[in-house]
Amino acid sequence: DAGITQSPRYKITETGRQVTLMCHQTWSHSYMFWYRQDLGHGLRLIYYSAAADITDKGEVPDGYVVSRSKTENFPLTLESATRSQTSVYFCASNNRMGTEAFFGQGTRLTVV
Amino acid sequence: AQTVTQSQPEMSVQEAETVTLSCTYDTSESDYYLFWYKQPPSRQMILVIRQEAYKQQNATENRFSVNFQKAAKSFSLKISDSQLGDAAMYFCAYLLSNAGGTSYGKLTFGQGTILTVHP
Repeated sequence: DAGITQSPRYKITETGRQVTLMCHQTWSHSYMFWYRQDLGHGLRLIYYSAAADITDKGEVPDGYVVSRSKTENFPLTLESATRSQTSVYFCASNNRMGTEAFFGQGTRLTVV
Repeated sequence: AQTVTQSQPEMSVQEAETVTLSCTYDTSESDYYLFWYKQPPSRQMILVIRQEAYKQQNATENRFSVNFQKAAKSFSLKISDSQLGDAAMYFCAYLLSNAGGTSYGKLTFGQGTILTVHP
């Protein structure tokens, strides 16, 4: 299917565990992003990537790791999950002109 | 750094009436885009309307229109003839133009406004 797909849609994990959220896009967009959504804060940028093997920190990167070995995939890893990372996570992609972002369905992550 | 502020955490409107959601932003740039996104309970982020900063004309999309005041850095969304399906969280967002190849398409979002539509 064309578009941008996140998996899983829901995840419950325990404090201290490592968890990886997956993101896959079929448009070959250069830019990809991870945002987290929290009430009262809107969406905040965690990490972004301008191309394969090029990533950079956003506004709230602490506790997260990303990689981008292939253009179409941009996984987000929480190396040691904390309760403060309970959130809804969105992956997005954008073409090089950067005029519109396309979002995945979001992943609701609960850290207990 | 750019900031986007939505000062109305919640708004409500009667079905068929008109409602306006407010958004202000702060930037020192002159070439950028502004967006309104709708997020229904499904969590899907749906683009409602986009405004290019270089265009003086306000964008419209069917029942949705904006009042873009560049000097005042204000970008409000007007929903006319409100429908039950308009009930959602609405986000205002800013995107610096990537003409210089340095913005990478990063969006800055406001805090969101929850819109309730009463039948």
